[in-house]
Amino acid sequence: AQSVTQPDIHITVSEGASLELRCNYSYGATPYLFWYVQSPGQGLQLLLKYFSGDTLVQGIKGFEAEFKRSQSSFNLRKPSVHWSDAAEYFCAVGFNAGNNRKLIWGLGTSLAVNP
Amino acid sequence: GAGVSQSPSNKVTEKGKDVELRCDPISGHTALYWYRQSLGQGLEFLIYFQGNSAPDKSGLPSDRFSAERTGGSVSTLTIQRTQQEDSAVYLCASSSGSRGAEAFFGQGTRLTVV
Repeated sequence: AQSVTQPDIHITVSEGASLELRCNYSYGATPYLFWYVQSPGQGLQLLLKYFSGDTLVQGIKGFEAEFKRSQSSFNLRKPSVHWSDAAEYFCAVGFNAGNNRKLIWGLGTSLAVNP
Repeated sequence: GAGVSQSPSNKVTEKGKDVELRCDPISGHTALYWYRQSLGQGLEFLIYFQGNSAPDKSGLPSDRFSAERTGGSVSTLTIQRTQQEDSAVYLCASSSGSRGAEAFFGQGTRLTVV
């Protein structure tokens, strides 16, 4: 069955440190891949997405993500975290088979940033 | 409208009452999703509408939950005989329905069943 896994439920980093949030999916072909952020009291906002082409994609707020087909992963990275990055991060996958366009979501990773 | 609009933003209801939650998607978006997010939890898929196709209701937790989408636009999620475990934020999202289209989310309706 199609699935998305975010192995880390909660991560704490110090401000200025680098960040990597993991996302793995289970699917037989290349999916469409998304990262969303949900800041406290805010709605879900798209950070970046991957459809095809260059496997390293740039997003808003200094985030990037790399699609690795061999590992079925789409990990989110940021070189230097800011206190305002504290939020919940969700990975989502869209499968391009047939008429099913439904997005499948990971359970999210909660990021805390220490000053 | 410019974005996905949900109403009400907050709803407090007594156990056993019925509630209706409304979602106005972005104009022209053919796909519409309902999700539930309990405190500290991820996104729980409820139902998915895509154009004129039969909706995917596989995520509805019980027969107390139903949803409809009129005219391919506005959607209403109805919860009958509400229970305390129904308390959550209910999120609506829409997309253009094209392959790989991103979903745009509303601000959600916070439902509290007392």
